[in-house]
Amino acid sequence: TQLLEQSPQFLSIQEGENLTVYCNSSSVFSSLQWYRQEPGEGPVLLVTVVTGGEVKKLKRLTFQFGDARKDSSLHITAAQPGDTGLYLCAVYGGSQGNLIFGKGTKLSVKP
Amino acid sequence: GAVVSQHPSWVICKSGTSVKIECRSLDFQATTMFWYRQFPKQSLMLMATSNEGSKATYEQGVEKDKFLINHASLTLSTLTVTSAHPEDSSFYICSAREVVFTYEQYFGPGTRLTVT
Repeated sequence: TQLLEQSPQFLSIQEGENLTVYCNSSSVFSSLQWYRQEPGEGPVLLVTVVTGGEVKKLKRLTFQFGDARKDSSLHITAAQPGDTGLYLCAVYGGSQGNLIFGKGTKLSVKP
Repeated sequence: GAVVSQHPSWVICKSGTSVKIECRSLDFQATTMFWYRQFPKQSLMLMATSNEGSKATYEQGVEKDKFLINHASLTLSTLTVTSAHPEDSSFYICSAREVVFTYEQYFGPGTRLTVT
């Protein structure tokens, strides 16, 4: 079973639209991270959320950590083509203290 | 700070040959580095954990004799894909853990391996 469930798997929208992607789990985490990955590149850290109920904003991106620290959401306002990419949530939960990733949401923003 | 580099960024090799991929932490020391593999349209899956001065730890299902890992210094880990086959074609991403200030993992830009 997947530790982190991300939805939707794919999302294709027009420039200017808003969107929300989700990262859910039945486990409780001390922190959760969101990454964006573009084709042919490594993942780039967007944010780390730590406190239950925490909301962090990064320009047009709003990240929320659930009160119970089991889930998180990423909301993008007025999406732009430059937002296109694979959005991954991740937690430190591996046996080696490594990051474990969700399957990701592939976002395509069309001009 | 906390930059991780990989070399090469892409490589094409013939079936049966070996390929070495380097992962370097440029501005910090990393006693632990992680190697992930990412197939098209999939997420990153951990292959192995590389510890400086000791043997690597491989995830279940990863052949240690096929994917040789060497972590000879605090800033360099190498992954050698031996006797490569087309099914080994993938995107390989390394990550180094910074253990002095943040304890975070920092990712390299990845290496695209194509085996023909």
